[in-house]
Amino acid sequence: NAGVTQTPKFRVLKTGQSMTLLCAQDMNHEYMYWYRQDPGMGLRLIHYSVGEGTTAKGEVPDGYNVSRLKKQNFLLGLESAAPSQTSVYFCASSYASGGATDTQYFGPGTRLTVL
Amino acid sequence: QKEVEQDPGPLSVPEGAIVSLNCTYSNSAFQYFMWYRQYSRKGPELLMYTYSSGNKEDGRFTAQVDKSSKYISLFIRDSQPSDSATYLCAFNDYKLSFGAGTTVTVRA
Repeated sequence: NAGVTQTPKFRVLKTGQSMTLLCAQDMNHEYMYWYRQDPGMGLRLIHYSVGEGTTAKGEVPDGYNVSRLKKQNFLLGLESAAPSQTSVYFCASSYASGGATDTQYFGPGTRLTVL
Repeated sequence: QKEVEQDPGPLSVPEGAIVSLNCTYSNSAFQYFMWYRQYSRKGPELLMYTYSSGNKEDGRFTAQVDKSSKYISLFIRDSQPSDSATYLCAFNDYKLSFGAGTTVTVRA
């Protein structure tokens, strides 16, 4: 099992460009999440999904959109990138949510720089 | 006030030392208390979890929770260079709320 994979691993964008980050999981998990990690800020939830076809806003959703057309995939889109979106983006998945045993499994991250 | 506050570090300790990591939280709704470990340029992975006040041991790691003080700790005994990582506390109600992380370096 590959677990959670993320594509691409690195990307440099210019301000105003758009891009899509792809997350895939092969654990048949219902829940998927997108986080960003910035120095001194920890992990902050951008958007999440509780199942195929559903999405919901997290703590810092502005400037991002998501889609969950297939259960195994969760896409994060930046329509018009800004330097403030320079960050490391992590995708995670879990079987369910709300309990400690519902462990979130994280991907390796995407390092995004917006110039 | 932030929902979760974690001692920022960084910490540098000699091999064999005891490492102590701490977090405080303000949300009384948090029911589960976790520690994630994140190696450099990797995603976080769950290290330990607990849901009650008291201590929980797993090998060289001990997680301690004091719900009355809203305070959790992680202790690493006989620390090894392989323990060098960033440790994030996390709390769960309907979603995970993470601390900012403490970077630990264990010197050989």
